[in-house]
Amino acid sequence: AQSVAQPEDQVNVAEGNPLTVKCTYSVSGNPYLFWYVQYPNRGLQFLLKYITGDNLVKGSYGFEAEFNKSQTSFHLKKPSALVSDSALYFCAVRSYNFNKFYFGSGTKLNVKP
Amino acid sequence: SQTIHQWPATLVQPVGSPLSLECTVEGTSNPNLYWYRQAAGRGLQLLFYSVGIGQISSEVPQNLSASRPQDRQFILSSKKLLLSDSGFYLCAWSAPTGGGNQPQHFGDGTRLSIL
Repeated sequence: AQSVAQPEDQVNVAEGNPLTVKCTYSVSGNPYLFWYVQYPNRGLQFLLKYITGDNLVKGSYGFEAEFNKSQTSFHLKKPSALVSDSALYFCAVRSYNFNKFYFGSGTKLNVKP
Repeated sequence: SQTIHQWPATLVQPVGSPLSLECTVEGTSNPNLYWYRQAAGRGLQLLFYSVGIGQISSEVPQNLSASRPQDRQFILSSKKLLLSDSGFYLCAWSAPTGGGNQPQHFGDGTRLSIL
């Protein structure tokens, strides 16, 4: 069965510092992994997706994700956090038959000035 | 380009009243369609998904139902709302083909409050 886990409910970082939001996955077959961001009272916005063979994937708004097969992780990163990055972040994996997506529980990112 | 529309944005309904939330997608054909509920701004609960007209898969037995009367229209309904139906309802679509690395795209949600 496909699943993802986000071990941190909340991540606090100072503006200008690098940020990491963690995600680990469990899949059978190829991992189709995604990151989304959600601002209050809005839908989820797609940030980036894993591309087979690329261990560092670049996405929207300066975000990138590091894929590590041996650690089964797909951590979201940004070199320099902005206050406007404060939001709820979700990791997701697509099911083997492509019909369903499984989401992590979400990590709230707080970036303080 | 593809767009997804979901309405209304907010809804306040009394217990026992019916519900109809609508979602439409433009700019794509035969999308997979999804309804999620999000409680307290956290995790997403998949309620229903559809891979074609009239094809509905229910993930969680509950007071809600879904229908797909047209290719790009997905409707979430209830005959009698319960207090526990309160939440943030999100509609999403994804491409059915093109490989597994095609993401979902979400509407802006409906905030449903039951009084």
